Amino acid sequence: TQLLEQSPQFLSIQEGENLTVYCNSSSVFSSLQWYRQEPGEGPVLLVTVVTGGEVKKLKRLTFQFGDARKDSSLHITAAQPGDTGLYLCAGEGTTDKLIFGTGTRLQVFP
Amino acid sequence: DVKVTQSSRYLVKRTGEKVFLECVQDMDHENMFWYRQDPGLGLRLIYFSYDVKMKEKGDIPEGYSVSREKKERFSLILESASTNQTSMYLCASSLGGATYEQYFGPGTRLTVT
Repeated sequence: TQLLEQSPQFLSIQEGENLTVYCNSSSVFSSLQWYRQEPGEGPVLLVTVVTGGEVKKLKRLTFQFGDARKDSSLHITAAQPGDTGLYLCAGEGTTDKLIFGTGTRLQVFP
Repeated sequence: DVKVTQSSRYLVKRTGEKVFLECVQDMDHENMFWYRQDPGLGLRLIYFSYDVKMKEKGDIPEGYSVSREKKERFSLILESASTNQTSMYLCASSLGGATYEQYFGPGTRLTVT
């Protein structure tokens, strides 16, 4: 069974701080997506990474796919209250389905 | 703009009741999915469909069934609701397989008492 563990599970920080969220597995994934879910809404795709070692930037968000394609990280620089939400990683499983991570709930206080 | 709508935001049902959750997408997507979301467990796939009248079991299909009579509509049915089915239910659609972006509805928070 392919599993994706995210850490930390909860993160509560002040505006302006930096943070990193981790998504780890013992399995190799062909590609990995990151979603953000705001309260009362469904998840929305932020980025897809497909190549081992790939780094993608989306404004203050930096996504990295591990060299072995077993892990990924999301780094947010100078967090803002608008970054508050649930961050989910999701990997392409062996059966062409998405396997979702356990989630990291981020709260950014002004 | 892709839009996925779900029939209810909140639903309260009694144990043993039959429950229908409906999902409609307006982008002519082939694939549709039903997930349940529980704290600390992420999203778990219940069923998915890659075409009209086609359905495939996901990771946790027990206690659920689905129906896809039209391309834009995918229904989740709880034949006899139980308290352990209290959860957030999310519907999604996508143009293709797992590497494609999934578009989610706002979710239905179901409480079974």
